[in-house]
Amino acid sequence: QVQLQESGPGLVKPSQTLSLTCTVSGGSITSGRYYWSWIRQPAGKGLEWVGRIYLSGSTHYNPSLKSRVTMSVDTSKNQFSLWLTSVTAADTAVYYCARDGTDLLTELAFHIWGQGTLVTVSS
Amino acid sequence: QSALTQPASVSGSPGQSITISCTGTSSDVGGHDYVSWYQQHPDKAPKLMIYDVVNRPSGVSNRFSGSKSGNTASLTISGLQAEDEAVYYCSSYSSSSTFWVFGGGTRLAVL
Repeated sequence: QVQLQESGPGLVKPSQTLSLTCTVSGGSITSGRYYWSWIRQPAGKGLEWVGRIYLSGSTHYNPSLKSRVTMSVDTSKNQFSLWLTSVTAADTAVYYCARDGTDLLTELAFHIWGQGTLVTVSS
Repeated sequence: QSALTQPASVSGSPGQSITISCTGTSSDVGGHDYVSWYQQHPDKAPKLMIYDVVNRPSGVSNRFSGSKSGNTASLTISGLQAEDEAVYYCSSYSSSSTFWVFGGGTRLAVL
């Protein structure tokens, strides 16, 4: 079965760039025509959708973060990545990667999640 | 402030039933049948419990059911068990540029 695993630095300095990678195992990232999303959760707070990417590289970002977010996909490595620039303490959160729905508007939910990785923004 | 409105907390006794509401707008909950519900235990990733308003993924107990009326979706848990104690989030696909919106979460206490 498909599993997701986030990786990246757990500590980022203010004004720098947060960089995370999600590795897909147990299946190919190219099968099923799925979007792949990033979702974050500050400690003790709710979930916030950050953005998603399709196999072609097409992206959709949360408008509140759009100016600072970039995503990419590397099908040869079965990975997709997130970059968030100019981070502040408000970006401190657990970041999850998740399998989104398909481009045919089927399976529209986050069926599979990574375990999450805590990123702290602090000097 | 979350896009979808959920009660902060609900509680019930073992064996009872509870319902959690999730209110949005015609751009999200009311405009699509793409409402999903997630269960999150402390320090764990969310787990999908309901998708497309009413569907349960394989392996999820049939004690969990979903419904929708207008701009409000609901999650009902019947035959409450201690293991159901968790935070529950609703989510909806949105016609807006945000694509996905979440509720603020509802903490379920099984007393």
